Amino acid sequence: EPEVTQTPSHQVTQMGQEVILRCVPISNHLYFYWYRQILGQKVEFLVSFYNNEISEKSEIFDDQFSVERPDGSNFTLKIRSTKLEDSAMYFCASREYGSGRGEQFFGPGTRLTVL
Amino acid sequence: DAKTTQPNSMESNEEEPVHLPCNHSTISGTDYIHWYRQLPSQGPEYVIHGLTSNVNNRMASLAIAEDRKSSTLILHRATLRDAAVYYCILSEGPSNDYKLSFGAGTTVTVRA
Repeated sequence: EPEVTQTPSHQVTQMGQEVILRCVPISNHLYFYWYRQILGQKVEFLVSFYNNEISEKSEIFDDQFSVERPDGSNFTLKIRSTKLEDSAMYFCASREYGSGRGEQFFGPGTRLTVL
Repeated sequence: DAKTTQPNSMESNEEEPVHLPCNHSTISGTDYIHWYRQLPSQGPEYVIHGLTSNVNNRMASLAIAEDRKSSTLILHRATLRDAAVYYCILSEGPSNDYKLSFGAGTTVTVRA
């Protein structure tokens, strides 16, 4: 069964450093999402991406964040200058275009630890 | 955003049914009712969705009240693998890219 994959599974970085989290969505899906979950808290929407552009973003997704689909298969989340409060699980999700029910398929997540 | 209300936690015995309630009194006519679950240390996983009629799939059943202000997710025979946080979410439709707004969910504990 097709699945969303994410790399790395765990990323440790120093405050102020740039990180790139990578996702490979399901191949025929056209809507892509990033969510995050701070330890012990709820899952929060960050951004949605369609047709090579951001279609919606949350208040969390400020200028330090960016997303890209560089090669038609990968979908990346970049944090330019990490802060301690960016430590969280980051989940990528994808959805099949035309699926009116909006079922999303999630990856296993990347645990980001900012020291 | 349309909101949902769920109990914080529920316990069940293995191989017994589990009924998870969800209130969504401000639901609009075009909102789908979605259920996702999150097993420990994993990403959220789609369970089931519905609009007006009751729905069944291999994982669960969804019973939707006639006025659509509440719904119940039914796990017919709970297994230890069903221990997870279950989220009831109203789909925000094409104008919001169907983004998911997660609440705290219901933590389901299954006793062997």
